[in-house]
Amino acid sequence: DVKVTQSSRYLVKRTGEKVFLECVQDMDHENMFWYRQDPGLGLRLIYFSYDVKMKEKGDIPEGYSVSREKKERFSLILESASTNQTSMYLCASSWDRGVGSNQPQHFGDGTRLSIL
Amino acid sequence: AQSVAQPEDQVNVAEGNPLTVKCTYSVSGNPYLFWYVQYPNRGLQFLLKYITGDNLVKGSYGFEAEFNKSQTSFHLKKPSALVSDSALYFCAVRDRSGNTPLVFGKGTRLSVIA
Repeated sequence: DVKVTQSSRYLVKRTGEKVFLECVQDMDHENMFWYRQDPGLGLRLIYFSYDVKMKEKGDIPEGYSVSREKKERFSLILESASTNQTSMYLCASSWDRGVGSNQPQHFGDGTRLSIL
Repeated sequence: AQSVAQPEDQVNVAEGNPLTVKCTYSVSGNPYLFWYVQYPNRGLQFLLKYITGDNLVKGSYGFEAEFNKSQTSFHLKKPSALVSDSALYFCAVRDRSGNTPLVFGKGTRLSVIA
């Protein structure tokens, strides 16, 4: 079974802090994704990566950056946390090259981040 | 551009009755379509997908979905609902001719009442 592991289930940080959310997958998937989930808004794509050291902006990249130094790990960085970044963050991965494939994405259990 | 709509925020159904969760999509070409389920405090779990071929797709936990190209719909169905089916359901679409990520709907909360 594919396992996508997010380092924290719950996280509380203060405004202005630099925040790191970590995600690791164990199935050698090429593609990795970061979403935020907010009530009534569904899932919104922040960034994605289809290879090591590659990254692409999603729909809402402002205030975020990412890092993918190794194939299995995809980190989301909040450069200077703000209260409007309080949300549930979900990481996902999928197999094969190119994000336009028919392979399903596999999700981690999420990190509920609160910015005070 | 690709998009997906789930017209119902909430669906209530009695245990044992059939359930339907609606999804319509818009893509410029032909779609890949997916359904996911999310239980409380968990990530999304893949249920089923439509790639090509038979319009009726069977998936996990007794769920199925019917692809209707003329109505651009991909409704999720189950013949007999269980209380344990209560969860948040997401439809997602990707244009198979493009190289863009999945686009998700806003989700539909299903409540199955005993």
